[in-house]
Amino acid sequence: GESVGLHLPTLSVQEGDNSIINCAYSNSASDYFIWYKQESGKGPQFIIDIRSNMDKRQGQRVTVLLNKTVKHLSLQIAATQPGDSAVYFCAEVLGNTPLVFGKGTRLSVIA
Amino acid sequence: DAGVIQSPRHEVTEMGQEVTLRCKPISGHNSLFWYRQTMMRGLELLIYFNNNVPIDDSGMPEDRFSAKMPNASFSTLKIQPSEPRDSAVYFCASSPGVWETQYFGPGTRLLVL
Repeated sequence: GESVGLHLPTLSVQEGDNSIINCAYSNSASDYFIWYKQESGKGPQFIIDIRSNMDKRQGQRVTVLLNKTVKHLSLQIAATQPGDSAVYFCAEVLGNTPLVFGKGTRLSVIA
Repeated sequence: DAGVIQSPRHEVTEMGQEVTLRCKPISGHNSLFWYRQTMMRGLELLIYFNNNVPIDDSGMPEDRFSAKMPNASFSTLKIQPSEPRDSAVYFCASSPGVWETQYFGPGTRLLVL
């Protein structure tokens, strides 16, 4: 029979432009959030995290924004490069429980 | 510092055979996680350990799957007998604590024929 794969949202961005990847998390009481990047053939790699007492955190070329009112998390990548092409996962933590991963968004950088 | 180490990186086996996947967590990390990733279901948490003790194995699909952590530096995930639907990439991850950032290994790509 026909196999149906997990449909991932895809974002296509021109090289050099900024990328914004969005994530709606599930639990309003979650207190810690992490973004992971997974390149083809590799394991998920930590990018940046943010605690619930913050609404913005910046790293090198990446910024995470947290809007607790609407349970929304975003990852902004400045000056997107071909090496940024990957699947990006958000993950949330509630109390003393392990990470809960979202489904992921595929970022495709057009050279 | 060495990250999480997994072996083998690739495994091809025939249906009915036993498969053992191995993981060495980052030294000093107290929590270890086993995940399975497929196109159909995405990333699934199978089981996790804290201080070598299994805490939650509700994600283990069937009795054919078992996991052990005999010491702080080694864990195994065993499938016996293996079936074609077990074909997936299996990741091991470790973290300082259960609710903290997890660091993933490179994965074992399993193909059961």
